Amino acid sequence: AQKVTQAQTEISVVEKEDVTLDCVYETRDTTYYLFWYKQPPSGELVFLIRRNSFDEQNEISGRYSWNFQKSTSSFNFTITASQVVDSAVYFCALSVTSGTYKYIFGTGTRLKVLA
Amino acid sequence: DTGVSQDPRHKITKRGQNVTFRCDPISEHNRLYWYRQTLGQGPEFLTYFQNEAQLEKSRLLSDRFSAERPKGSFSTLEIQRTEQGDSAMYLCASSLDAESYTFGSGTRLTVV
Repeated sequence: AQKVTQAQTEISVVEKEDVTLDCVYETRDTTYYLFWYKQPPSGELVFLIRRNSFDEQNEISGRYSWNFQKSTSSFNFTITASQVVDSAVYFCALSVTSGTYKYIFGTGTRLKVLA
Repeated sequence: DTGVSQDPRHKITKRGQNVTFRCDPISEHNRLYWYRQTLGQGPEFLTYFQNEAQLEKSRLLSDRFSAERPKGSFSTLEIQRTEQGDSAMYLCASSLDAESYTFGSGTRLTVV
């Protein structure tokens, strides 16, 4: 069975601080995708990144970076120099590359960035 | 197409009433998904269509729930005899390449 764990329910930081959101996943499949989505108060899910299980390169996009480590089954997300607009709920998700490609989401981490 | 469209955005209904939600996917996307998100939780898979065929249904989709995708275009999700536990955000997503989705803005259902 597949599972995604986001142990941090809520994190509060002061603007300009760096913050890391943790994601641990479980799957027996060797081929899968990992995702991060942002859900602002308006409710829509905003796609941030997709990572293939065969690609363990870390990725940086502006203030966002992702650290994928298969050895620890983790796919952590770091926001550098956080801003108030980063306040949202962030979801990590797993999809196996067969059948329906349905997503298994974690329970999310609510990030509050205080001015 | 500008994205996945869901209608209505909000629905308040009395317990026991039937409700129907609509999802218009991106036109060339052959895969369509419904998810349900309750307060404080991540979205949970409900059902999947490839073109007009419903290929998978979650055990979360009780007999009171039915989904259709006639002609492989828009999809509807109907809930019969609504219960308070059905209150949630219902999200629709579509994809072409099975690797990443585009989500709609969701329909928030409140059963009173």
